Amino acid sequence: SQKIEQNSEALNIQEGKTATLTCNYTNYSPAYLQWYRQDPGRGPVFLLLIRENEKEKRKERLKVTFDTTLKQSLFHITASQPADSATYLCALANNAGNMLTFGGGTRLMVKP
Amino acid sequence: NAGVMQNPRHLVRRRGQEARLRCSPMKGHSHVYWYRQLPEEGLKFMVYLQKENIIDESGMPKERFSAEFPKEGPSILRIQQVVRGDSAAYFCASSPQRWDNQPQHFGDGTRLSIL
Repeated sequence: SQKIEQNSEALNIQEGKTATLTCNYTNYSPAYLQWYRQDPGRGPVFLLLIRENEKEKRKERLKVTFDTTLKQSLFHITASQPADSATYLCALANNAGNMLTFGGGTRLMVKP
Repeated sequence: NAGVMQNPRHLVRRRGQEARLRCSPMKGHSHVYWYRQLPEEGLKFMVYLQKENIIDESGMPKERFSAEFPKEGPSILRIQQVVRGDSAAYFCASSPQRWDNQPQHFGDGTRLSIL
């Protein structure tokens, strides 16, 4: 069955460092992959989308890579800030429709 | 705020009652998706609707759950005869068109608690 795995353990880093979050998937051929941020008690907020034919995407301090051979996406936040503390979700969609399949999320804690 | 609006934000029901969750998509969006998030779990797709049509309900439980998106008014997720296991956060998302790599815009969810 399709499986999307994100590190369920919280990631604790120091302010100013680069945070790297991992999303691995199996039994899936996604057309594109999205990353969302979710704060407690709130809905997910879209951050970045990367297509299957793209290797890397950047937006301000955010960078996403997508390796369809390794079946993995990496999400980087450079110069991290305490305000970046949240749960980050990766989501995959295939060409069959707009249904998103989400990973379980990784909680990021940035300490001042 | 022209974002996705969900109400109520919190809903408490006793076992056997009905729960109705409402979602108004962003202005100009005609595609609505419902997801469920159980405690300590990820978001799970339930159903995808366009105006007056259910496009994909592969994630919906076969019994007690139904969804609609009428020509006028919000999308409704209806749970009949609720049970304790229905306690979860229910999120609605919308997009302007079917897919073509469109991000989904989420509401802040309805937290359903079953006593």
